[in-house]
Amino acid sequence: EVQLLESGGDLVQPGGSLSLSCGASGFTFSNFAMTWVRQAPGKGLEWVSTISDSGGVTYYADSVKGRFTISRDNSKSTLFLQMNNLRAEDAALYFCAKDPKGSGWYRFFDYWGQGTLVTVSS
Amino acid sequence: DILMTQSPSSLSASVGDRVTITCRASQTISNYLSWYQQKPGKAPKLLIYGASSLQTGVPSRFSGSGSGTDFILTIYSLQPEDVATYVCQQSYRTPPTFGGGTRVEI
Repeated sequence: EVQLLESGGDLVQPGGSLSLSCGASGFTFSNFAMTWVRQAPGKGLEWVSTISDSGGVTYYADSVKGRFTISRDNSKSTLFLQMNNLRAEDAALYFCAKDPKGSGWYRFFDYWGQGTLVTVSS
Repeated sequence: DILMTQSPSSLSASVGDRVTITCRASQTISNYLSWYQQKPGKAPKLLIYGASSLQTGVPSRFSGSGSGTDFILTIYSLQPEDVATYVCQQSYRTPPTFGGGTRVEI
């Protein structure tokens, strides 16, 4: 059974930093691109960032480019999101999500975690 | 970015009803369209991909259709457990973008 478990969400001040993790199990993690998607309270889903199966290629939404860094440790089946210079508009539930097929990025997601909550406030 | 627009934003129907939700893309996306079901506090669940392909394990009362810019999700015979928000998403071009969602109530 595929499982994705996010952690690391917290209350942080504007301008602060936070690191999110997503532990994966039930599939060969190193074969699939992985993605972070966020959902602000009462709002819709917003794609944040994607990393290729090997970790060699990354993609970012314009809203987070230069502030967020996605990475992965395939030996530990874990996905990360380092968030710096956080803004009020970054406050959201952050989901990690798995690509449906290996070898490439198909831009849709067959499994999602339950999310971890990031609050940005002074 | 490709804008995805869903209608209606919410609907109420009775158990056993047929429900249709529309999703429109701001430019053609061929059949690169997925539908998700999201229940409060839960992870989104993939229902349909490729506009009409049913994800493994999803009940057959869910059906997707359309191509180009206009797409439809149909729930045949609405069940109590289908109360949720339904979201479309295009995978034609980066960035992948989502519709605003349709809340389905009974």
